[in-house]
Amino acid sequence: DAGVTQSPTHLIKTRGQQVTLRCSPKSGHDTVSWYQQALGQGPQFIFQYYEEEERQRGNFPDRFSGHQFPNYSSELNVNALLLGDSALYLCASRPPISPDNEQFFGPGTRLTVL
Amino acid sequence: LAKTTQPISMDSYEGQEVNITCSHNNIATNDYITWYQQFPSQGPRFIIQGYKTKVTNEVASLFIPADRKSSTLSLPRVSLSDTAVYYCLVGARYGGSQGNLIFGKGTKLSVKP
Repeated sequence: DAGVTQSPTHLIKTRGQQVTLRCSPKSGHDTVSWYQQALGQGPQFIFQYYEEEERQRGNFPDRFSGHQFPNYSSELNVNALLLGDSALYLCASRPPISPDNEQFFGPGTRLTVL
Repeated sequence: LAKTTQPISMDSYEGQEVNITCSHNNIATNDYITWYQQFPSQGPRFIIQGYKTKVTNEVASLFIPADRKSSTLSLPRVSLSDTAVYYCLVGARYGGSQGNLIFGKGTKLSVKP
């Protein structure tokens, strides 16, 4: 059984560009969350998707948007990239009716903005 | 939201027991204490969770005193592969922080041969 998968593994973009990151949750999981982790910091919550709707959002600007598909996979889109958007982007999922504080993380996508 | 405080880094040697303490003075009645482990270039991994007293699993033990204002993650006989960052989180099991996890900077554990 595959765990949470993310693509691509690494990505290099330039300032002002747009990027799309993808996540497939663990089998049987329906809730997907995205986190941003800057170097040397803990992950910071971006938003959470459930039933194809954004259910909760952290303190991130509107440049960060997302989508969840009927198969529970998800995308994170970032527009007008800034140098400060360089980070490891993590996707986490959990199954229905499960504790919020037990989430399964993917390996992340390393985004570098030049 | 309950804030957590833990050491920035710790060093240990293979075979030793490692105890990482986390302070959470403002923990709420319905909050649980959860620990995650993160290896370099990987996502965090849930390792243990508890509410009070002691919890043990195949990976670690979690000790929580009666006042619940702190907790200690205990890793028995560490090996080089336990080198990682360990995060202490506090929150409700359901509906807390509206479903998201709040991470601090964690404790970077370095295990030496």
